[in-house]
Amino acid sequence: GAGVSQSPSNKVTEKGKDVELRCDPISGHTALYWYRQRLGQGLEFLIYFQGNSAPDKSGLPSDRFSAERTGESVSTLTIQRTQQEDSAVYLCASSLNSGGQKNEKLFFGSGTQLSVL
Amino acid sequence: GNSVTQMEGPVTLSEEAFLTINCTYTATGYPSLFWYVQYPGEGLQLLLKATKADDKGSNKGFEATYRKETTSFHLEKGSVQVSDSAVYFCALRAGANSKLTFGKGITLSVRP
Repeated sequence: GAGVSQSPSNKVTEKGKDVELRCDPISGHTALYWYRQRLGQGLEFLIYFQGNSAPDKSGLPSDRFSAERTGESVSTLTIQRTQQEDSAVYLCASSLNSGGQKNEKLFFGSGTQLSVL
Repeated sequence: GNSVTQMEGPVTLSEEAFLTINCTYTATGYPSLFWYVQYPGEGLQLLLKATKADDKGSNKGFEATYRKETTSFHLEKGSVQVSDSAVYFCALRAGANSKLTFGKGITLSVRP
């Protein structure tokens, strides 16, 4: 597609339920990131996938959070037993990262607004 | 570890005022530095970047100079417009296969 696509755009769930968020990166982009943005807060890094390397999971806040990526395409972020503090906008971004250049820009999706009641 | 510190906000300015948003960083090696902007109702997008010391990134009238001696990458604009109202994030990337680390962001409001 033309840009990074995230679905759903909005998700309302009850406390204790599991949710799955989806990200379709730009075709050919090897790097994929998940960030969380709570209301009035900055961007909180969650997880980073780069090609076939082991993902950097250092930002996942608890073992209720997990993410997978199929090859260099779709990624899903799963939150189990959701809590009210999980309410936030979950942003996905991708970059080409060709040649290992660290100055390449990220392309962000519009995010998924998650509300846990 | 790597980190980015931005000045506390929000910032409110009148149109045509001079803008400075401070950003300092801590990183190993020689990171690339970025400013991202999030306009109301829109997704994050790259505003400008610099990849080595003394580089100046510029875009849409905004400028930022990579200062290694002060580990800073302050964002400046000589004359802000109402359309510049947005949230601004400073960020760094320390290595080719490392994550992009963001600051907390600062909200800029420009009044006519």
